[in-house]
Amino acid sequence: EPEVTQTPSHQVTQMGQEVILRCVPISNHLYFYWYRQILGQKVEFLVSFYNNEISEKSEIFDDQFSVERPDGSNFTLKIRSTKLEDSAMYFCASSVRRTGNTIYFGEGSWLTVV
Amino acid sequence: GIQVEQSPPDLILQEGANSTLRCNFSDSVNNLQWFHQNPWGQLINLFYIPSGTKQNGRLSATTVATERYSLLYISSSQTTDSGVYFCAVLPSGGGADGLTFGKGTHLIIQP
Repeated sequence: EPEVTQTPSHQVTQMGQEVILRCVPISNHLYFYWYRQILGQKVEFLVSFYNNEISEKSEIFDDQFSVERPDGSNFTLKIRSTKLEDSAMYFCASSVRRTGNTIYFGEGSWLTVV
Repeated sequence: GIQVEQSPPDLILQEGANSTLRCNFSDSVNNLQWFHQNPWGQLINLFYIPSGTKQNGRLSATTVATERYSLLYISSSQTTDSGVYFCAVLPSGGGADGLTFGKGTHLIIQP
């Protein structure tokens, strides 16, 4: 079965540093997403991306976050100046359509900000 | 926004037992998925089930959309079934893109 792949699986960064998390969505999918899960809490939606632009973003997705599809296969999440509270598991996901189909999740990237 | 409530929050069972996990949601949905989060944090997609019944091996799920709930059944539990089970929904008609997750059911299967 096709998979969403994410890199790195774990990253430790100093507070204030920029971090880029990378994702390769499933090849024929058109919608891409980032979600976040703080340790011990539920998974929260950050942003969706379609047709090379943000489709929807949550209140969590403030100015320190940005997303990009730099080429035909990668989808990235950038955190400009990391804070301690950005420590979380970040999941990338993709789907063929916005509704009415399975949204497939990657294995996640653990981000630890020290 | 839509509310998703899962019960029970915690469940401890012996290997071989059967279990039923419940997900209630506050509005109509056009996407409902069940996930298993394993001890390494990976989200494993179990079912896409906005309505009806599906089965996959020892797992099955039923969603009654008109009554706004879904049930996940696990039969003959194994220790590898341990982890957190999440229900996630996408409300219909509102144009939202992001799934709303419940807080999960933490399942522990003891040998």
